Amino acid sequence: KQEVTQIPAALSVPEGENLVLNCSFTDSAIYNLQWFRQDPGKGLTSLLLIQSSQREQTSGRLNASLDKSSGRSTLYIAASQPGDSATYLCAVRRISNFGNEKLTFGTGTRLTIIP
Amino acid sequence: NAGVTQTPKFQVLKTGQSMTLQCAQDMNHNSMYWYRQDPGMGLRLIYYSASEGTTDKGEVPNGYNVSRLNKREFSLRLESAAPSQTSVYFCAIKVRGANTDTQYFGPGTRLTVL
Repeated sequence: KQEVTQIPAALSVPEGENLVLNCSFTDSAIYNLQWFRQDPGKGLTSLLLIQSSQREQTSGRLNASLDKSSGRSTLYIAASQPGDSATYLCAVRRISNFGNEKLTFGTGTRLTIIP
Repeated sequence: NAGVTQTPKFQVLKTGQSMTLQCAQDMNHNSMYWYRQDPGMGLRLIYYSASEGTTDKGEVPNGYNVSRLNKREFSLRLESAAPSQTSVYFCAIKVRGANTDTQYFGPGTRLTVL
């Protein structure tokens, strides 16, 4: 059974710092990995998606990496801003032999950027 | 939220009451999903629908039923609500891209069962 872990559960950093959020998963047979952002009381917003064949994806100040063999992904946020404060979730997608898709989520890291 | 709407936004029920959570998409996609989100548990899949008229159980289907009568709507029903079903419920759709698939989520329904 796939398990996705995100450590730490919460993180506070001063504005302007670069930071890294971690995601680990137990089954490396994944189709892709997706990072989401969730603001309090809101739904999930997709940030970056990395295919299993890719090593990293970038969008603005965000860079996500994937090391499938070791079951790890990181989300790097450069020059953090107070608006980056949110919960960040990673999710791994697996496709079964029958074509069924399963998305397994981590429990998230709650990030607070201190002005 | 990429064209995914959920109603209601908030709901309080008493134990044993029933209700239906509604989800609708305006993007003509086949696959739709219902998740629940609980503190310390991450999002867990309740049911999904690969196409109109088909539904399949996810990780935590007990106590729920779903209906996909048309392509646009996917509803989640609690026949006899229990306090353990207090949660935030998210509907999602799968969007097929050129190289990969991704999911887009609705804003959620916050349900409290007393």
